[in-house]
Amino acid sequence: EDKVVQSPLSLVVHEGDTVTLNCSYEVTNFRSLLWYKQEKKAPTFLFMLTSSGIEKKSGRLSSILDKKELFSILNITATQTGDSAVYLCAVEASMTGAGSYQLTFGKGTKLSVIP
Amino acid sequence: ETGVTQTPRHLVMGMTNKKSLKCEQHLGHNAMYWYKQSAKKPLELMFVYSLEERVENNSVPSRFSPECPNSSHLFLHLHTLQPEDSALYLCASSQLPGPLKLFGPGTRLTVL
Repeated sequence: EDKVVQSPLSLVVHEGDTVTLNCSYEVTNFRSLLWYKQEKKAPTFLFMLTSSGIEKKSGRLSSILDKKELFSILNITATQTGDSAVYLCAVEASMTGAGSYQLTFGKGTKLSVIP
Repeated sequence: ETGVTQTPRHLVMGMTNKKSLKCEQHLGHNAMYWYKQSAKKPLELMFVYSLEERVENNSVPSRFSPECPNSSHLFLHLHTLQPEDSALYLCASSQLPGPLKLFGPGTRLTVL
């Protein structure tokens, strides 16, 4: 059974701090790893990682994948209160059917950034 | 508001009711999904439709019945639900073989 484990489950930091969120996985037919930010309802897509060692960056957020050790990290530098959200890690694997893929999600890390 | 819309946004129903959730996208995506998000549990895939054909039914109880009449619309028909079915139901769409990038705002369902 595919499994995605995120840590920590929750985290409280002060504005300006740097945080690292962790995601480890056990998945067959791995295709990619995705990070999402969920503030209220709909998760919003952040990154897709398919290759080891290539860092993806978007502003203060960056992420890297290690396919040998089966984990990924999401870094947020100079955190702001607007970064408060649940960060979801998901692993995409191929499945039977018309070329579609299944996402297995972790439980998420709830990040709270206080002023 | 994202490119995927869901109605209703909130729904309260009794265990004997029948209701339907609706999802719509006009982005030309070729795959649509239903996910369930319960408190303290990961997002769980329920159903996947690719090119209007159901390609995955993830051991979902028969009281949940999906319908995909065309590539832009997806329904989830609900009947005789249980209180433990109370959750946030998220629709999503993607353009295969690309990743799943777009979720709808969700329907918050409460079963009394």
